Amino acid sequence: DTGVSQDPRHKITKRGQNVTFRCDPISEHNRLYWYRQTLGQGPEFLTYFQNEAQLEKSRLLSDRFSAERPKGSFSTLEIQRTEQGDSAMYLCASIQGGWDTEAFFGQGTRLTVV
Amino acid sequence: QQPVQSPQAVILREGEDAVINCSSSKALYSVHWYRQKHGEAPVFLMILLKGGEQKGHEKISASFNEKKQQSSLYLTASQLSYSGTYFCGTEGTSGTYKYIFGTGTRLKVLA
Repeated sequence: DTGVSQDPRHKITKRGQNVTFRCDPISEHNRLYWYRQTLGQGPEFLTYFQNEAQLEKSRLLSDRFSAERPKGSFSTLEIQRTEQGDSAMYLCASIQGGWDTEAFFGQGTRLTVV
Repeated sequence: QQPVQSPQAVILREGEDAVINCSSSKALYSVHWYRQKHGEAPVFLMILLKGGEQKGHEKISASFNEKKQQSSLYLTASQLSYSGTYFCGTEGTSGTYKYIFGTGTRLKVLA
């Protein structure tokens, strides 16, 4: 078990372009979470999946953001028509079972929109 | 609503103690604590559950006051390695697994 991995680690894109990030959770972890974190702030909830079902999505997640978790394995987060305000660290976490167990975080994808 | 942490930042000398507080506006089932170093992913420290059960590291302790919807993390005899930003994490909505993190506390330990 190699932990949660995210790809890419860094992404620089021009405003208006689309970007897609990938998260590979720990195998057999049924829940997967996406967070956005800006400098000095706590991780901000974006969305989460239980297996392949997307159970909740933050109001902060505009229609430019979409996430999928096909077959309940890896997940992708896509941002369309990126804006400078999208620049942040995007973190993925996975967990097996309820919140009486530890969540494991990936290293994150740092997005810079220029 | 995001849990509020206090203090926002603290500077210590090695060997000193610190307390970090986390306050929620909602009833809590569990509270998690994580530490994040600059440029790294958050790392698990502790889970506190209703009823007093705790799971976590031996050298770090915490408390959970269910009535007051508060948790505190106690760092004793701090070491340089304790430096980082500490976050509490709680369920956002009862009955779901939406999970939200607190505002964060930056801790710096000086030699």
